[in-house]
Amino acid sequence: DAGVIQSPRHEVTEMGQEVTLRCKPISGHNSLFWYRQTMMRGLELLIYFNNNVPIDDSGMPEDRFSAKMPNASFSTLKIQPSEPRDSAVYFCASSKGFYNEQFFGPGTRLTVL
Amino acid sequence: TQLLEQSPQFLSIQEGENLTVYCNSSSVFSSLQWYRQEPGEGPVLLVTVVTGGEVKKLKRLTFQFGDARKDSSLHITAAQPGDTGLYLCAGDDQGGKLIFGQGTELSVKP
Repeated sequence: DAGVIQSPRHEVTEMGQEVTLRCKPISGHNSLFWYRQTMMRGLELLIYFNNNVPIDDSGMPEDRFSAKMPNASFSTLKIQPSEPRDSAVYFCASSKGFYNEQFFGPGTRLTVL
Repeated sequence: TQLLEQSPQFLSIQEGENLTVYCNSSSVFSSLQWYRQEPGEGPVLLVTVVTGGEVKKLKRLTFQFGDARKDSSLHITAAQPGDTGLYLCAGDDQGGKLIFGQGTELSVKP
């Protein structure tokens, strides 16, 4: 069975450019989470969806960040415009029910120059 | 803001040694999870502890949840090179959201 799929795996961009990260959750999972991992701050929850509806986006650092989940099998995290301090590994995770085990994707390593 | 502090941040030991990783907070969590993360991959859940004082064993790994549900420990007996990785604890903030510790980077040398 395929796990959580994220693309791209690596992204290098210049400051000011728009970045879109993509996630395909595990089929049948109805909760989806976006996390960011840095050395300084560790793993932080940015936003999560339940049945495609954003439930809590209090972890989104700024208005430059936005996330969508147009259907049960796809979600995007967009940063516009990107800044060097956005450099991090971004993880998507999904679960079958909000309180159940979360399965993480392999992450997207973002570098903003 | 709920915080989880892990210690030590880095640990380098020889194969066969025992080790303990600690996860502490001033906040109460409804449950606590331990994850292991390898380079280039996402965290993978090892165990969830729910009841204060609970002890769970997974082969050579022993996990304990503090009586007050504010702290936890992970003990590894006779560490092996395959145990190398980043160990993360995460607390459920009683609303379902996970608060992660900074992680303990473990290196086990053969």
